[in-house]
Amino acid sequence: KAGVTQTPRYLIKTRGQQVTLSCSPISGHRSVSWYQQTPGQGLQFLFEYFSETQRNKGNFPGRFSGRQFSNSRSEMNVSTLELGDSALYLCASRVARKETQYFGPGTRLLVL
Amino acid sequence: DQQVKQNSPSLSVQEGRISILNCDYTNSMFDYFLWYKKYPAEGPTFLISISSIKDKNEDGRFTVFLNKSAKHLSLHIVPSQPGDSAVYFCAAYSGAGSYQLTFGKGTKLSVIP
Repeated sequence: KAGVTQTPRYLIKTRGQQVTLSCSPISGHRSVSWYQQTPGQGLQFLFEYFSETQRNKGNFPGRFSGRQFSNSRSEMNVSTLELGDSALYLCASRVARKETQYFGPGTRLLVL
Repeated sequence: DQQVKQNSPSLSVQEGRISILNCDYTNSMFDYFLWYKKYPAEGPTFLISISSIKDKNEDGRFTVFLNKSAKHLSLHIVPSQPGDSAVYFCAAYSGAGSYQLTFGKGTKLSVIP
C-alpha cells in the first residue's frame, strides 16, 4: 500500500504571499491531520479533517486553513505568509477509530 | 506550557546495548501514547504505542513502559543497532474522541558501532 504523499516537497515563497500544500492519505484512511514542525516549537497540531469536516483545530491564527475532498485528499492553505511560517509541514492519516497516525515526508516551506 | 516533555535532547549508546528513552507528561487526560522515529528530511515513522489501561507493550526489539502514577513512559530498544540512530518523539492523545497528537521535543539517539 502506498504511504502518505505530500506535494510539493520544497517551496520558497516571499512574505505576504499565500501557499497551498497538498496531502494524499493512505488508501482507505479518511482522517487527515496537519502538523507544523519548527526548531523552536517542535511538532504542533494544526487541524484534523474527517469525511470533509474539520474535527479539531490547533492554536494557530486564521491565516492557516484547510479542507478535505470527497476522496480524502486534503489541502492546507496559509495566507499572508510571515517569516515565522517557515517550517516543515507534515500531513498524517489514520483509519477511523484507530489511534495510529501515519506521516508523509512533509513539505519544507521557506518564507523569505 | 509543555504537556509532553522529553528532558534528554540527546543520548549515545553502544551498539548491542539497551537504549532507554524517557518521556514525562503533565496532562492527566492523556490516555494513549505513541513513539515515533524521525530521520532528517523524512516524516515521523510510527514505532509502538500503549493505551493507559496497560503498563507495558512489546514489539520486537521495542518495549514501551507506562507508569501512570508518575506520568512517565519510557521506550526500551534492545539490542540497539546503528540504524536506530534518529530522533525519537513521544506523543499523546487526550482521548474523548480527540485525535490531536501532542508531541515532545524529541531525543536524538546515536548508536555507536
